[in-house]
Amino acid sequence: EDQVTQSPEALRLQEGESSSLNCSYTVSGLRGLFWYRQDPGKGPEFLFTLYSAGEEKEKERLKATLTKKESFLHITAPKPEDSATYLCAAPSGNTGKLIFGQGTTLQVKP
Amino acid sequence: DTGVSQNPRHKITKRGQNVTFRCDPISEHNRLYWYRQTLGQGPEFLTYFQNEAQLEKSRLLSDRFSAERPKGSFSTLEIQRTEQGDSAMYLCASSRGGDRQKAFFGQGTRLTVV
Repeated sequence: EDQVTQSPEALRLQEGESSSLNCSYTVSGLRGLFWYRQDPGKGPEFLFTLYSAGEEKEKERLKATLTKKESFLHITAPKPEDSATYLCAAPSGNTGKLIFGQGTTLQVKP
Repeated sequence: DTGVSQNPRHKITKRGQNVTFRCDPISEHNRLYWYRQTLGQGPEFLTYFQNEAQLEKSRLLSDRFSAERPKGSFSTLEIQRTEQGDSAMYLCASSRGGDRQKAFFGQGTRLTVV
């Protein structure tokens, strides 16, 4: 069964303190690994898609990387506005439906 | 992209009542998905439409749940005889067909069953 697992569940950082979020997956025939950001009470907002091991993508203070078994979301010098839940997901089957991890809730304190 | 629109944003209903939610996808997207998200969890897949055809339903989708997408445009999700366990955020997403197409999500409908 396809599965996506994220760690840690929660992460508290001081402003400027860099860290990484982990997403491990077991998906047959991986067709991409997606990262979303979700603010409280809102829908997920697309951040990145990675398709092959070794691929990296960056957006402002965020960088996503992919290996054959996991993906990392690196946050460099975070700011309080980066506080959110970060979701990792992979397509499963032929319909494009996404299997999500449980998310990592990030809190960045000033 | 004008975005995926969901209505209502919030719904409070009494146990046993029926509720219906609406999703308007991005206009050129032929794929539409419904997900359910409970507190502290990631979204869970409920059902998938390609144009007007409902092609996949999750085991989570009990017979009290029904979804439609008439004419391949907007979609509705109805829950009959609501139970407290139905309280959740219901999310709609749409995408273009084919591989490597990212899904865009709406803001969700928060359902509270009292």
